[in-house]
Amino acid sequence: GAVVSQHPSWVICKSGTSVKIECRSLDFQATTMFWYRQFPKQSLMLMATSNEGSKATYEQGVEKDKFLINHASLTLSTLTVTSAHPEDSSFYICSAQGAGNGNYGYTFGSGTRLTVV
Amino acid sequence: AQTVTQSQPEMSVQEAETVTLSCTYDTSENNYYLFWYKQPPSRQMILVIRQEAYKQQNATENRFSVNFQKAAKSFSLKISDSQLGDTAMYFCALPLSGSARQLTFGSGTQLTVLP
Repeated sequence: GAVVSQHPSWVICKSGTSVKIECRSLDFQATTMFWYRQFPKQSLMLMATSNEGSKATYEQGVEKDKFLINHASLTLSTLTVTSAHPEDSSFYICSAQGAGNGNYGYTFGSGTRLTVV
Repeated sequence: AQTVTQSQPEMSVQEAETVTLSCTYDTSENNYYLFWYKQPPSRQMILVIRQEAYKQQNATENRFSVNFQKAAKSFSLKISDSQLGDTAMYFCALPLSGSARQLTFGSGTQLTVLP
């Protein structure tokens, strides 16, 4: 079935540095990528939606200059947390949508646990 | 606005018993899909079951079935013969209207299966 590979699975970084999270669709073309953030014991909150080759659409309250999303190809989307601070510590999950991906249109990555110290 | 509500933050069930998780939603669309996802401790999101609103028959996947009441906008998940591996957070989800069809999730129900 369709697979989205998300890396890294966990990362610890120092405050003020930037971290890049990658999501790759391995066997289908991800025309749309959704990026979610999840705090412990809470639901998934949509951060942004990106379409291949165009700028991402951010949800209200999400800083686009802090959370840079690039979706330059049909198989790769990246989320870069710039100048990370402890409050950015969270679990980030991507979900890819595209033709022929099964899963009724939504395939999730395995998530990235970001800890900013 | 499209919303999804799960009113049971936590539930527990004895192994081999049956449990039902509740979900209500609001949408102005007539044709839509509804999903139940499972998130075990690994935090990988796993699709449990899907229901198409235009289908009157309730969806079933092995031990998992739904009770879909379109008029009441209710979409509950029944797990039969509960297993320890069913312990997880369960989310009800609805695609938003529009071209992107982003999923909006309920707040989740933490299910614990007791031995």
